[in-house]
Amino acid sequence: SQELEQSPQSLIVQEGKNLTINCTSSKTLYGLYWYKQKYGEGLIFLMMLQKGGEEKSHEKITAKLDEKKQQSSLHITASQPSHAGIYLCGADLNSGYALNFGKGTSLLVTP
Amino acid sequence: EPEVTQTPSHQVTQMGQEVILRCVPISNHLYFYWYRQILGQKVEFLVSFYNNEISEKSEIFDDQFSVERPDGSNFTLKIRSTKLEDSAMYFCASRAGGPIQYFGAGTRLSVL
Repeated sequence: SQELEQSPQSLIVQEGKNLTINCTSSKTLYGLYWYKQKYGEGLIFLMMLQKGGEEKSHEKITAKLDEKKQQSSLHITASQPSHAGIYLCGADLNSGYALNFGKGTSLLVTP
Repeated sequence: EPEVTQTPSHQVTQMGQEVILRCVPISNHLYFYWYRQILGQKVEFLVSFYNNEISEKSEIFDDQFSVERPDGSNFTLKIRSTKLEDSAMYFCASRAGGPIQYFGAGTRLSVL
């Protein structure tokens, strides 16, 4: 079965700083999804990557899928308190798009 | 903006009791999912549902669990006889024809 390892497990950064979260798969990724989890709000979809070398951005968040399609990174530029939460990477388990998730990276942004 | 709605937000039950967790997926979505997250652990896939039948299920989804789409809007997860280890956050998700799933806010199930 596929394992998704996220690093770091937790992160505390000062507001305005940049940060990167990594997601490494034990198998080739065919669909990689980034979600953000906040208490009471469930999982909020951020981005989906499918092609090796693909890079997507939304506001100050950029996600990349490496050429070999076994690792993805999520980069936040000039972090803000609103970026705080748990970032989850997920990958397609099967053709029905059921997702296998990593354990998450908890982000705290301090003033 | 359309969203997945789950009720109740918190359910407390006694061990051995039946519970039904309810979800209203986004209205034009065709594929429905349940996931759970035990406290401190990762989000785990339970079951997917399409065209009024189960498409896929994980090892977690044993005979104690069942899903149903009783009408055109609701999607339910039933646990027949709850155990302490069923205590978790349960998330419903739905998608249209594309791959992106949209999740509800979850139901926290506490089994005493």
